[in-house]
Amino acid sequence: TQLLEQSPQFLSIQEGENLTVYCNSSSVFSSLQWYRQEPGEGPVLLVTVVTGGEVKKLKRLTFQFGDARKDSSLHITAAQPGDTGLYLCAGARSDYKLSFGAGTTVTVRA
Amino acid sequence: DAMVIQNPRYQVTQFGKPVTLSCSQTLNHNVMYWYQQKSSQAPKLLFHYYDKDFNNEADTPDNFQSRRPNTSFCFLDIRSPGLGDAAMYLCATSRVTGAVSGYTFGSGTRLTVV
Repeated sequence: TQLLEQSPQFLSIQEGENLTVYCNSSSVFSSLQWYRQEPGEGPVLLVTVVTGGEVKKLKRLTFQFGDARKDSSLHITAAQPGDTGLYLCAGARSDYKLSFGAGTTVTVRA
Repeated sequence: DAMVIQNPRYQVTQFGKPVTLSCSQTLNHNVMYWYQQKSSQAPKLLFHYYDKDFNNEADTPDNFQSRRPNTSFCFLDIRSPGLGDAAMYLCATSRVTGAVSGYTFGSGTRLTVV
C-alpha cells in the first residue's frame, strides 16, 4: 500500500512556465520532506516541513504543508531546464524512517 | 566534503551469481539505509542499520542481506540475483533525527542481471 500518492506522475512544460506537484496521504505525518533526483543520481533533500500550514520558499520553489499534515505541494515559478528531475515527497514514519511517494517526473523544455 | 559514496556505479552480474554492493560515508551518521528503486516507482526500503542494530523490512526477500562492519561502511549482498532484482540500489544515511534533518543519499548503483 502506497502511503503517499504523488500527482501528476509526469509533467512536461516550457521554460518560464509555472508548475505545481502534489503529495497526498490519508495518514498524518509529523514531518514531510521533498527531494529532487536527477537521472543516474541519488535524491537530494530540498526542504523539510513540520508544522501544519507551513510555507517554505527556496528561491523559485515554494513548499506548503497542509493544515492537517496529510498533504503537501511544491510550486515552481518560472521553471528552468535545471529544474528537470524526479521530485519525491517523503513522510516521517518515526524519528528517522521515511515513506517515499513514487515521485513526479518534471521535464522543462528550453 | 562529507558524503556518501557507492561503488560501483554500474554493476552487471549473471543470473544467480552473488553480488555485493558497497556504501561508505564520512558523515558519521548513526543510521544507514538500503533502498531499491525501479523505474517510476517509489524507493523501497530493504533494511537499515541503527548503529550496529540491523532492522529488516518485513517484505524484504531473504535473497538480500546486509553487513555493517563499522560506522563508515555498509554492504548489500544479493545471494542469487534474479532478473527481477535489476534496479537502482540507493544507500542513504541520516542522523537519528532523519525525519527532520533529512537523508543524504549516494549516487546509487545500477544493477543489471543478465
